[in-house]
Amino acid sequence: KAGVTQTPRYLIKTRGQQVTLSCSPISGHRSVSWYQQTPGQGLQFLFEYFSETQRNKGNFPGRFSGRQFSNSRSEMNVSTLELGDSALYLCASSPEPSYNEQFFGPGTRLTVL
Amino acid sequence: DQQVKQNSPSLSVQEGRISILNCDYTNSMFDYFLWYKKYPAEGPTFLISISSIKDKNEDGRFTVFLNKSAKHLSLHIVPSQPGDSAVYFCAASASGTYKYIFGTGTRLKVLA
Repeated sequence: KAGVTQTPRYLIKTRGQQVTLSCSPISGHRSVSWYQQTPGQGLQFLFEYFSETQRNKGNFPGRFSGRQFSNSRSEMNVSTLELGDSALYLCASSPEPSYNEQFFGPGTRLTVL
Repeated sequence: DQQVKQNSPSLSVQEGRISILNCDYTNSMFDYFLWYKKYPAEGPTFLISISSIKDKNEDGRFTVFLNKSAKHLSLHIVPSQPGDSAVYFCAASASGTYKYIFGTGTRLKVLA
């Protein structure tokens, strides 16, 4: 089975721009979660989707949004980028029930200049 | 409010000895816990989990202990190997929330 894939792997943007990151979960996995990892902060939960519905959202500003498609693929969008948005963005998928472990992709490294 | 804490940013252990990584949590609603290992430039890899109905779970060299009264869990690696050198994250979840709260990680270095 192919693992979780994320595209692009690296991205450089400037302040004020917007960015869209993509995640393809493991085949058969219907839950997709997104996390932001910054040095010293660990992984911060952004949101979780299941069957195209957002079931939970972390404490991030409205500039961070996401969606899930009918094939379980997911995208997240960050608008009006700020320097502090520079981070590794990780996507994880899991089958239901939700207590199963999450399987992570390699992440997208976003640098905002 | 950091609900899951890993108070040791780093740990060094000799090869063959035991590594003990600790994690504390504050939310008594957490009922499922996981440990992940992360190498640079890779996503976290699942290691082992434990539900709140147990106090111990073992998988090969890895054992996780849960002390609910102290809101504390620990990961034991025996024997430690140089390939275990990585950052280890603990994570916790509460039923029906569909999210995991991660600690800030502990960097383990196993010395040959």
